Amino acid sequence: EIVLTQSPGTLSLSPGERATLSCRASQSVSSSSLAWYQQKPGQAPRLLIYGASTRATGIPDRFSGSGSGTDFTLTISRLEPEDFAVYYCQQYGNSPRYTFGQGTKLEI
Amino acid sequence: QVQLVQSGAEVKKPGASVRVSCKASGYTFTSHYVHWVRQDPGQGLQWMGIIKPSSGATSYPQKFQGRVSMTRDTSTNTVYMELNSLTSDDTAIYYCARDENGSPATGTWGHWFDPWGQGTLVTVSS
Repeated sequence: EIVLTQSPGTLSLSPGERATLSCRASQSVSSSSLAWYQQKPGQAPRLLIYGASTRATGIPDRFSGSGSGTDFTLTISRLEPEDFAVYYCQQYGNSPRYTFGQGTKLEI
Repeated sequence: QVQLVQSGAEVKKPGASVRVSCKASGYTFTSHYVHWVRQDPGQGLQWMGIIKPSSGATSYPQKFQGRVSMTRDTSTNTVYMELNSLTSDDTAIYYCARDENGSPATGTWGHWFDPWGQGTLVTVSS
């Protein structure tokens, strides 16, 4: 099983600042198989990034993804108030086919 | 627009079963796999399995094998997830999610989920 470890657990920043969230895999992950989601309280996760670096439809360009192998990063260039949420990475691989990181809470 | 709408919250006793529905709209139901994912405070997000709406074929991870069953009704564009032998550890929010970049025609699963249903809270308590 590929384990995804996200860091930090909680990130405290202010609007306008830059956020850098990390997702580290226990084994190499294909870049095409890494996605990021945003989840706000009381809502379902929303797809932000797929294929490690491609923004999903309607996602602002302040969100960007990068990385390969075992190290992936989600960057939010200038935080807006609506960006404060929990972020999860997810990979597709071997059994179980899909696993998620434990999440990073981005708080004001 | 593409939408997945799930059934409402459930309260069940230990040992019982629960069935959650997920109605799809805004796209061709048989052209995408559908997944189920659950979220609980202790285990985070866990993938529970996948169903191919055109044939009803399913696949489940070992953790849920023997206890989960996914079915579909093509006349109503609805998929169902049934979980048996409930314990308090099954208290969670259950989500359905559409498979993206996969191909049921070729049997290829996608690599991410979009969109997700709104979630169904299942509470298991005596």
